[in-house]
Amino acid sequence: QVHLVQSGPEVKKPGSSVKVSCQASGGTFSSYAVSWVRQAPGQGLQWMGRIIPKLGTTNYTQRFQGRVTITAAESTSTVYMELSGLGLDDTAVYYCAAAVAGTFTFDYWGQGTLVTVSS
Amino acid sequence: DIVMTQSPLSLPVTPGESASISCRSSQSLLHSNGYNYLDWYLQKPGQSPQLLIYLGSYRAFGVPDRFSGSGSGTDFTLKISRVEAEDVGLYFCMQALEIPPDTFGQGTKLEIK
Repeated sequence: QVHLVQSGPEVKKPGSSVKVSCQASGGTFSSYAVSWVRQAPGQGLQWMGRIIPKLGTTNYTQRFQGRVTITAAESTSTVYMELSGLGLDDTAVYYCAAAVAGTFTFDYWGQGTLVTVSS
Repeated sequence: DIVMTQSPLSLPVTPGESASISCRSSQSLLHSNGYNYLDWYLQKPGQSPQLLIYLGSYRAFGVPDRFSGSGSGTDFTLKISRVEAEDVGLYFCMQALEIPPDTFGQGTKLEIK
């Protein structure tokens, strides 16, 4: 059973960057791929990208290509998502979600991190 | 990209009755290994999403047998029998076949009448 704990809420100015963390415990971190999924207020779910920490490989969706960077620190079982060039429409809850490497079935989810972009 | 379409978007249900949600994909989710790469998630109010059904019809650990998934190829259904108050929330389908898996369905809001 993997438990994912995310960093706390953030308030950012337009044009700035945000970095959200997701720390895993209770499982074999290297067995999983960790994705980031966001949910704007009252909206559906949007996959942003993922990392396979064991391999260091990343995939990003076209929509966020160039603005999102996902990294991992195996020593602390932590995955980071940095989003740059924030706009007002980046206000959302950001979730990390873990899937067994090689699959896209998200067995475990973090509690979510609210990022508010406001001038 | 694969497009996922759910219906209905709103689903009022009387407790004890059954409910069904449809999910259609723009491309077949049937892999050559015989599995359908379609998952269902429930997001209860104020919570993170949780996995309900994977590979089209397999219940995730701890999910009550009131929940069942069916379908193949491009047409899938989530059925909830004997709906309870704790089942309220947003139900999403998602294709788990290919990158990017950014094609979640729009979500179906189940509420109690």
